[in-house]
Amino acid sequence: QKEVEQNSGPLSVPEGAIASLNCTYSDRGSQSFFWYRQYSGKSPELIMSIYSNGDKEDGRFTAQLNKASQYVSLLIRDSQPSDSATYLCVSQAGTALIFGKGTTLSVSS
Amino acid sequence: DGGITQSPKYLFRKEGQNVTLSCEQNLNHDAMYWYRQDPGQGLRLIYYSQIVNDFQKGDIAEGYSVSREKKESFPLTVTSAQKNPTAFYLCASSQVFADTQYFGPGTRLTVL
Repeated sequence: QKEVEQNSGPLSVPEGAIASLNCTYSDRGSQSFFWYRQYSGKSPELIMSIYSNGDKEDGRFTAQLNKASQYVSLLIRDSQPSDSATYLCVSQAGTALIFGKGTTLSVSS
Repeated sequence: DGGITQSPKYLFRKEGQNVTLSCEQNLNHDAMYWYRQDPGQGLRLIYYSQIVNDFQKGDIAEGYSVSREKKESFPLTVTSAQKNPTAFYLCASSQVFADTQYFGPGTRLTVL
């Protein structure tokens, strides 16, 4: 069964630190990867998408993809209390979108 | 103002009732999806539609039904056959199927 695995957390970091969120996926055919942020009681919002090996940066966010290791990560620099949320990792292989259960991040001020 | 709207925000259902959740998008997206999210759980796909007048079952379609008569609209009916319908329901759309998805604000359904 195709899966995306994430540590549920909570991951706790102090304000200003780097938060590192990780996920692994089982389907080697996965081509596209997405990170969504979901605040409690709200719907997911897209943060980053990444399609090729390496790093992709957007402001304070950097997504990293290593297809050989089937590993995706999201780094959040200068973490803020407003970054406290659940982060969902998603992989896409063909017509299948597989959602991880999410990692809860808590940033303390 | 482009986006996806869902209504109502909160919905209460009595045992044995059918209820319909609305999802509308003005993004001109071809594909639309319905997900269910339970506390502490990931999203589970109920139904999806790649184009108008076509839809497919997802992983947990039993007890649900959908229609796609218009590109903009993809309503979900939760039937009395769904034994545990209390959950947060999310509608999403994408330009084409399996592309980046954008989510509506969700409907929280509670069975009384």
